[in-house]
Amino acid sequence: GQNIDQPTEMTATEGAIVQINCTYQTSGFNGLFWYQQHAGEAPTFLSYNVLDGLEEKGRFSSFLSRSKGYSYLLLKELQMKDSASYLCAVRDTLTGGGNKLTFGTGTQLKVEL
Amino acid sequence: EAGVTQFPSHSVIEKGQTVTLRCDPISGHDNLYWYRRVMGKEIKFLLHFVKESKQDESGMPNNRFLAERTGGTYSTLKVQPAELEDSGVYFCASSQDWTLRDARFGELFFGEGSRLTVL
Repeated sequence: GQNIDQPTEMTATEGAIVQINCTYQTSGFNGLFWYQQHAGEAPTFLSYNVLDGLEEKGRFSSFLSRSKGYSYLLLKELQMKDSASYLCAVRDTLTGGGNKLTFGTGTQLKVEL
Repeated sequence: EAGVTQFPSHSVIEKGQTVTLRCDPISGHDNLYWYRRVMGKEIKFLLHFVKESKQDESGMPNNRFLAERTGGTYSTLKVQPAELEDSGVYFCASSQDWTLRDARFGELFFGEGSRLTVL
């Protein structure tokens, strides 16, 4: 079966750094995505990892270890607008060029003053 | 550039009624997906179109759900008859063709979702 685990909620302080973990057990692996979703809005793409290691993009970084079935999203210099749900998703197949993603339930991040 | 648009944003219907959700993908995106999030659960894949053809419909819950994509442009998802457990947010997403060397590798662009409430 497919299983993706991430914490339900996290709270952090403005200006700080927060790490959101994601572990996965899927029948296949062809990339891991992180999406951000503000309440009532569309999920928006943050990062993509397919090889082991760290991908950095501005204040956001994402790490992947395929052997451990583990990823994390690192957010630096937190801002109030970073309060949102962060979704970890794994693409398990490449059949037909598809993006059939398996999602975790999301981590609701609250940034406080 | 216009993003993925969905209509209606919210629909409230009674059990047994029919509802049709519409999705307009980003122009030029051949790939169109439907996903669904039931309250408290994760977003789950329903199906995938490549142009007008159904590539993968393994996530469709049952035959009360019918998805179409006429002419390979917009798509509709019909639920008939609706049941209580169909309540949730239905997301549409689209992506362009991608190659293995594309750093964003088929990034999905999501719409804001259509919230369906079945009473």
